[in-house]
Amino acid sequence: LAKTTQPISMDSYEGQEVNITCSHNNIATNDYITWYQQFPSQGPRFIIQGYKTKVKNEVASLFIPADRKSSTLSLPRVSLSDTAVYYCLVGDSQTGANNLFFGTGTRLTVIP
Amino acid sequence: DSGVTQTPKHLITATGQRVTLRCSPRSGDLSVYWYQQSLDQGLQFLIQYYNGEERAKGNILERFSAQQFPDLHSELNLSSLELGDSALYFCASSAIHRGQEGRTEAFFGQGTRLTVV
Repeated sequence: LAKTTQPISMDSYEGQEVNITCSHNNIATNDYITWYQQFPSQGPRFIIQGYKTKVKNEVASLFIPADRKSSTLSLPRVSLSDTAVYYCLVGDSQTGANNLFFGTGTRLTVIP
Repeated sequence: DSGVTQTPKHLITATGQRVTLRCSPRSGDLSVYWYQQSLDQGLQFLIQYYNGEERAKGNILERFSAQQFPDLHSELNLSSLELGDSALYFCASSAIHRGQEGRTEAFFGQGTRLTVV
């Protein structure tokens, strides 16, 4: 199971773009990269998923370099409501069990 | 609304007691996951079921057990409760993409807040 490493915390001012990078050096060929957002006392919420290059949706963009050993979640023009913990996960194609192991995540604090 | 329903939302019980948490997955999802999240801690994976069978096990205590029923709902049983078991317990469900086992997106319920006194 590919392990992920991401910063424990980040601060940003409102209106700025925030980039959170995740390292996953042992990602397997068939693994996708998925990001979740969690607000206090709520269940994590799926944000975006990708395999390679760039993926974009109405909430965020996901950049994945060619070697796929890292990925960057980009949140455009953050607001106070984006304050949350962001988790990066990679798939579990090698065991086929579709495990979902969450690491420590990145606690993003948006400052007025 | 994620489509995953957990009951009850809140539960207060005494040490030594046993409780059952219930999860109804999204329609059509065969895989169910259980997580424990203590105050200001990360999500600890407990156990996963797929179509009624145990698929993966995390750091689940022997006092805890789970099962998934033929209608795909799942229950997490916690017994001999201790103060340290107080936490949010989340259930998630996911669809399995055939031939793309490395591609999983899960949908979480709102959790059950268990308080052991």
